[in-house]
Amino acid sequence: AQTVTQSQPEMSVQEAETVTLSCTYDTSESDYYLFWYKQPPSRQMILVIRQEAYKQQNATENRFSVNFQKAAKSFSLKISDSQLGDAAMYFCAYRGLNTGTASKLTFGTGTRLQVTL
Amino acid sequence: KAGVTQTPRYLIKTRGQQVTLSCSPISGHRSVSWYQQTPGQGLQFLFEYFSETQRNKGNFPGRFSGRQFSNSRSEMNVSTLELGDSALYLCASSVWRLARTQETQYFGPGTRLLVL
Repeated sequence: AQTVTQSQPEMSVQEAETVTLSCTYDTSESDYYLFWYKQPPSRQMILVIRQEAYKQQNATENRFSVNFQKAAKSFSLKISDSQLGDAAMYFCAYRGLNTGTASKLTFGTGTRLQVTL
Repeated sequence: KAGVTQTPRYLIKTRGQQVTLSCSPISGHRSVSWYQQTPGQGLQFLFEYFSETQRNKGNFPGRFSGRQFSNSRSEMNVSTLELGDSALYLCASSVWRLARTQETQYFGPGTRLLVL
């Protein structure tokens, strides 16, 4: 079974600084998707960034970028120029492409990010 | 496009009752997945529907069921509610592409269920 691990329950960053959230995963599949979702206090789950495992290039979305290390099964999220609105719970998620794994996201336990002035 | 909508947003029930939650996917999305979020268990997959058929099911008891209609709207039902069913229930929709299977899931705002 696939597992996703986020070892940092909480992180703090000062406004305008850079922070990196860690995620590792375990799978026997060779092709899959990885995601970072953000959940602010409103509880709405918002997609931050997506990475397809067959693509070696790391995904970027404005201030958000990932460091995808397939061999190490590591998928970290870097937030640059942090803003107060970035404060939220961040979830790393995995989705496979095989029958049985293609339908569902497997989530990590989340990292709560605080942004301070 | 309008996002995923879920109704109701908040619900209070008592043990033993049943509840039905509704999810309307993004226009054009034919896949709907349901997740339960609790402080203790985190985010767990309930089931996924595509073209009115359940394609995958998580490890939940039979009290949890769902269905999908021809317009892709989905409902989930929980019968004989237990205190432990108190949770945020999230619905997500996506498209399915034959070449790369399912694309990104987009979530609704959730339904908060409190069982007393």
